[in-house]
Amino acid sequence: DTAVSQTPKYLVTQMGNDKSIKCEQNLGHDTMYWYKQDSKKFLKIMFSYNNKELIINETVPNRFSPKSPDKAHLNLHINSLELGDSAVYFCASSQSTSPEVGQPQHFGDGTRLSIL
Amino acid sequence: GQNIDQPTEMTATEGAIVQINCTYQTSGFNGLFWYQQHAGEAPTFLSYNVLDGLEEKGRFSSFLSRSKGYSYLLLKELQMKDSASYLCAVLDSNYQLIWGAGTKLIIKP
Repeated sequence: DTAVSQTPKYLVTQMGNDKSIKCEQNLGHDTMYWYKQDSKKFLKIMFSYNNKELIINETVPNRFSPKSPDKAHLNLHINSLELGDSAVYFCASSQSTSPEVGQPQHFGDGTRLSIL
Repeated sequence: GQNIDQPTEMTATEGAIVQINCTYQTSGFNGLFWYQQHAGEAPTFLSYNVLDGLEEKGRFSSFLSRSKGYSYLLLKELQMKDSASYLCAVLDSNYQLIWGAGTKLIIKP
């Protein structure tokens, strides 16, 4: 039973296309996240949703739009893909946004996006 | 600005002990996490420290000094499978996780 699953695992597409990445968690967590990990391995938060509501929206281009139909799903849609979007995108979830007891984030396996 | 520093790469020998350091400067502090990430895989949770001192969990221990803005991850009895990147992340005053770039640990036989 996969706790956080995201699809697809690999995504190869051309510049200018629109694509979506899906994420689902079966842990009953309240909060879900999208991260971008570039070639230098920095994990950069993009979005965070708590119970379907956006609570973090870091400075990312508005070509990136998250959608959360329910608290178990957080999808990422990307319009007009650019070369610089090539990276690994990780979905994650945690029990709450105020982890005063150190609630860890659980990550999906990542989506490797390559723009040609 | 917020900053987390870790060495880029470390090498150690199988069976030995290695200490991976992390220093941080963040706006507020609500705890520090260590994650392990094998190449091509997702980060997985190792430890969480919010109070000063040492937390031990099997072969792995994590230490925190809030006054110094410093933590380390100690790995004992190294095994080849410990070859991975180790990511330090700090929860700031807004409960946002600030991530370091990670330390790539190479284990040699």
